[in-house]
Amino acid sequence: EPEVTQTPSHQVTQMGQEVILRCVPISNHLYFYWYRQILGQKVEFLVSFYNNEISEKSEIFDDQFSVERPDGSNFTLKIRSTKLEDSAMYFCASSERLPETDTQYFGPGTRLTVL
Amino acid sequence: EDQVTQSPEALRLQEGESSSLNCSYTVSGLRGLFWYRQDPGKGPEFLFTLYSAGEEKEKERLKATLTKKESFLHITAPKPEDSATYLCAVQARGGSYIPTFGRGTSLIVHP
Repeated sequence: EPEVTQTPSHQVTQMGQEVILRCVPISNHLYFYWYRQILGQKVEFLVSFYNNEISEKSEIFDDQFSVERPDGSNFTLKIRSTKLEDSAMYFCASSERLPETDTQYFGPGTRLTVL
Repeated sequence: EDQVTQSPEALRLQEGESSSLNCSYTVSGLRGLFWYRQDPGKGPEFLFTLYSAGEEKEKERLKATLTKKESFLHITAPKPEDSATYLCAVQARGGSYIPTFGRGTSLIVHP
């Protein structure tokens, strides 16, 4: 069964460093998303991406964040200068976005720890 | 503002003891309601999508139902492996397809 994959599973970094989180969406999906979940809290939307551009973003997704689809399979989230409060699980998701609804399938996540 | 409230926050059951989880929502118009299962330290695993009031979907010991204001996830004769956090997410009609997630219900099933 097709699935979303993410690497690394766990990333530890120092405050102020740049990190890149990687995702491989389901192959026939065209819509991609990043979410984050701080420990014990709700899943929060960061950004959606379609046709090589951002289609929606939340207020969390500020200038420190960027997304890219560098090739035909990978989808990345870059945090330029990490802060302590960026520590969270980051989930990539993808979908087909059918006309009536949009079921998103999530990857296993990357646990980001900022020291 | 779209809101999703799940109850209870936590639920402990004995193996075989059936129960229901609730997801109540307020949106201007419902496009879709999603149920996910999330194991500790893992990503949400898709279970069901419901589109309209009266709709029901089943998978093994789980059945999801939908009314105009809430959804229930019924768990029949649960087993310890059903222990997880169950997340509800709601997608409203309009321009955005981005779902709003509830805080989840943490279910523990004791053998």
